[in-house]
Amino acid sequence: EIVLTQSPGTLSLSPGKRATLSCRASQSVSSGYLAWYQQKPGQAPRLLIYGIYSRATGIPDRFSGNGSGTDFTLSISRLEPEDFAVYYCQQYGTSLITFGQGTRLEIK
Amino acid sequence: EVQLVESGGDLVQPGGSLRLSCAASGFTFSRFWMSWVRQAPGKGLEWVANIKREGSEKNYVDSVKGRFTISRDNAKNSLYLQMNSLRVEDTAVYYCARSDYPFDQWGQGTLVTVSS
Repeated sequence: EIVLTQSPGTLSLSPGKRATLSCRASQSVSSGYLAWYQQKPGQAPRLLIYGIYSRATGIPDRFSGNGSGTDFTLSISRLEPEDFAVYYCQQYGTSLITFGQGTRLEIK
Repeated sequence: EVQLVESGGDLVQPGGSLRLSCAASGFTFSRFWMSWVRQAPGKGLEWVANIKREGSEKNYVDSVKGRFTISRDNAKNSLYLQMNSLRVEDTAVYYCARSDYPFDQWGQGTLVTVSS
């Protein structure tokens, strides 16, 4: 099982600032099968980034993904009020799919 | 428009059984892997199981192996999760997701509560 560890647990920032969220895997993620999801209270998760770098349909370009092997990041260049939510990374390169524990992005 | 609508969530006693359903529309259901993902109250996401397009391959997280069974009926555009020997720790919102990969479409979830 690949364990994904996200940091920080909570990130407090002001609108307009840049956010950087981290996801570290316990072993290399196969073929770059790493995704990021956003979840707001009472809602289902929404796919943001897949294949480490690719933005899902309709996702604004202020969201970007990067990384390789075991270390990955999600960056949000200029925070908008609607970006404050919980973010999860996910690896889908093995038959046992796993999620990170999440990073809560809150308004400072 | 792609839609995934879960149903079947309920309050059940420990040791009981429940069958969840997910009705899919707006896409060719038989062409996609499908998954169940759950979220315990106030906790993170946990992938539960997935099933290949024609149902020939199924995978499960260790904690549900031998108790849960994922299945699909492509003629009815439906995904199922049969849950037996339910435990208190299975309490969660259960989401179905289109997962061919990654998980690009999600339902709104159905709540399963296991309590005496």
